[in-house]
Amino acid sequence: EVQLVESGGGLVQPGGSLRLSCAASGFTFSSYSMDWVRQAPGKGLEWVSYISSSGSTIYYADSVKGRFTVSRDNAKNSLYLQMNSLRAEDTAVYYCARDRNIAVAGSFDYWGQGTLVTVS
Amino acid sequence: AIRMTQSPSSFSASTGDRVTITCRASQGISSYLAWYQQKPGKAPKLLIYAASTLQSGVPSRFSGSGSGTDFTLTISCLQSEDFTTYYCQQYYSYPYTFGQGTKLEIK
Repeated sequence: EVQLVESGGGLVQPGGSLRLSCAASGFTFSSYSMDWVRQAPGKGLEWVSYISSSGSTIYYADSVKGRFTVSRDNAKNSLYLQMNSLRAEDTAVYYCARDRNIAVAGSFDYWGQGTLVTVS
Repeated sequence: AIRMTQSPSSFSASTGDRVTITCRASQGISSYLAWYQQKPGKAPKLLIYAASTLQSGVPSRFSGSGSGTDFTLTISCLQSEDFTTYYCQQYYSYPYTFGQGTKLEIK
């Protein structure tokens, strides 16, 4: 069974840092690209970042570029999101999600339960 | 960034109704479109990808169509568990973008 479990969320002051983790199991993690998607309280979904299966290709939303860094450790089946210079508008539930198709990334077939980041 | 606009933003319907949600892209995205269902407090669930392909395990009352800039999600016979929020998402180009969501409510 595919499982994605996020951790690392919490309350942080503006300007602070936080590192989110996503532990993957039930599939060959190193074969899939992964993404982070967030959702502010009561709002819609916002894509945050993409990382290819090898980690060699990375994309960010403009809203987080230069402040967030995505990485992965395929030996540990883990995905990370290092968040620096946090702002109030970064307050959201952060989900890690698996790209459905190894060849064509972009739709997300498995999601974690989410971890709440509050910047205040 | 490609803007995705869903309509309506909210909609009231009854169990058994057939409903259609529309998603329009600000530029052509071929068939690189997905639909998700999200229930309160839960992660989104993939319903449709490649505009019209039903994700494994999703009931056949859900269907998708469209290409280019105009897309639809149709639920052929609403069940009680379908009254929740739906999002479209383009994955034609980065940054991936979602529609603002459509909340389906019981009439």
